[in-house]
Amino acid sequence: ETGVTQSPTHLIKTRGQQVTLRCSSQSGHNTVSWYQQALGQGPQFIFQYYREEKNGRGNFPPRFSGLQFPNYSSELNVNALELDDSALYLCASSLGGKSGGASGEQFFGPGTRLTVL
Amino acid sequence: AQSVTQPDIHITVSEGASLELRCNYSYGATPYLFWYVQSPGQGLQLLLKYFSGDTLVQGIKGFEAEFKRSQSSFNLRKPSVHWSDAAEYFCAVESTDKLIFGTGTRLQVFP
Repeated sequence: ETGVTQSPTHLIKTRGQQVTLRCSSQSGHNTVSWYQQALGQGPQFIFQYYREEKNGRGNFPPRFSGLQFPNYSSELNVNALELDDSALYLCASSLGGKSGGASGEQFFGPGTRLTVL
Repeated sequence: AQSVTQPDIHITVSEGASLELRCNYSYGATPYLFWYVQSPGQGLQLLLKYFSGDTLVQGIKGFEAEFKRSQSSFNLRKPSVHWSDAAEYFCAVESTDKLIFGTGTRLQVFP
């Protein structure tokens, strides 16, 4: 059973640029959630995708966008990068749904460390 | 609004000593609670979770946590800490399929 993988591991960008982060979910999982973890903070929920549809969004501006593919892998896109976007971006997969409640354990990938200069 | 508070930013213990990490939550309904551990440069690993039933839950690596509804707490404990337990620990509550995390407690272990 393959766990959650993320690419790239590290990324350095400059202000104003755009970035795409990728996540492959664990086998059998149909839900992907993205979190941003700033230095010294806990992870903050960005959004979630369930079966290719957005299933919730946190308090992030529209320049944070994403999608989920038919194989349930996912991308996180960030446009017009700002210095404050520097963080560890975590992807988590789970077997969940739109019914809410305890959707089961979320399995986290190792993260992508984004540095914006 | 739902929230999680971890009052201790940094805790230092000696190897072999007992450990308790505090977590308080704010949630209107019956909470689903989690403890995760994060080693440097790593993602999050689930230590244990509480959904319902027995309020004392056992997890991996010898950790346990006790849910106390009256105190809105879900403290993590370990009777004897090992040097390999040094890491960042996060408490989280589930809210409509997303996790709300505390700010974490950094555990340092001295030999």
